[in-house]
Amino acid sequence: EAEVAQSPRYKITEKSQAVAFWCDPISGHATLYWYRQILGQGPELLVQFQDESVVDDSQLPKDRFSAERLKGVDSTLKIQPAELGDSAMYLCASSLSPGPPETQYFGPGTRLLVL
Amino acid sequence: RKEVEQDPGPFNVPEGATVAFNCTYSNSASQSFFWYRQDCRKEPKLLMSVYSSGNEDGRFTAQLNRASQYISLLIRDSKLSDSATYLCVVRSSNTGKLIFGQGTTLQVKP
Repeated sequence: EAEVAQSPRYKITEKSQAVAFWCDPISGHATLYWYRQILGQGPELLVQFQDESVVDDSQLPKDRFSAERLKGVDSTLKIQPAELGDSAMYLCASSLSPGPPETQYFGPGTRLLVL
Repeated sequence: RKEVEQDPGPFNVPEGATVAFNCTYSNSASQSFFWYRQDCRKEPKLLMSVYSSGNEDGRFTAQLNRASQYISLLIRDSKLSDSATYLCVVRSSNTGKLIFGQGTTLQVKP
């Protein structure tokens, strides 16, 4: 069964450092999402791509976060500089298209700890 | 007010019990509704979609009340393996953005 791949699975960094996360969606999935999940809360959408274009980045803290999907396939999410409050699970998801009834499939996530 | 609200629990129940989770959403324009399951330190996985007519999948029954903006999940004959966090999820528009509740934690005990 095809899966969404993410790396690294775990990342420990010090505040003010730069970190980057990678996501490879299920083959053929045009829509890619990055979510952040703080412990004890549900995931919150950071950015949504349709192919290589950003559809929604309204909740992305653009002063420190950036995301790209240059060729419309895999994607990178970057944080620079990292802050203590960025400690969370970063989840990537993909779907064939954005609208219903398409299901979003999640990757295993990258767990970030900022010290 | 959060767009999707759930009682975080935890719900501690014995094996074989029936347990129900509730969820309310604030956006009346919401189009699609789901329950996701998330095991500890794992990613969320779709448990079931929720339809206005109600739907059942084995021991799981989901219901939607659009007038009250209320979603429910009923689990019958609870198993130890049902222990997880159950996330109520709403899709509000054709952009596909999912709005998650904070999740309800279920612990099924022997």
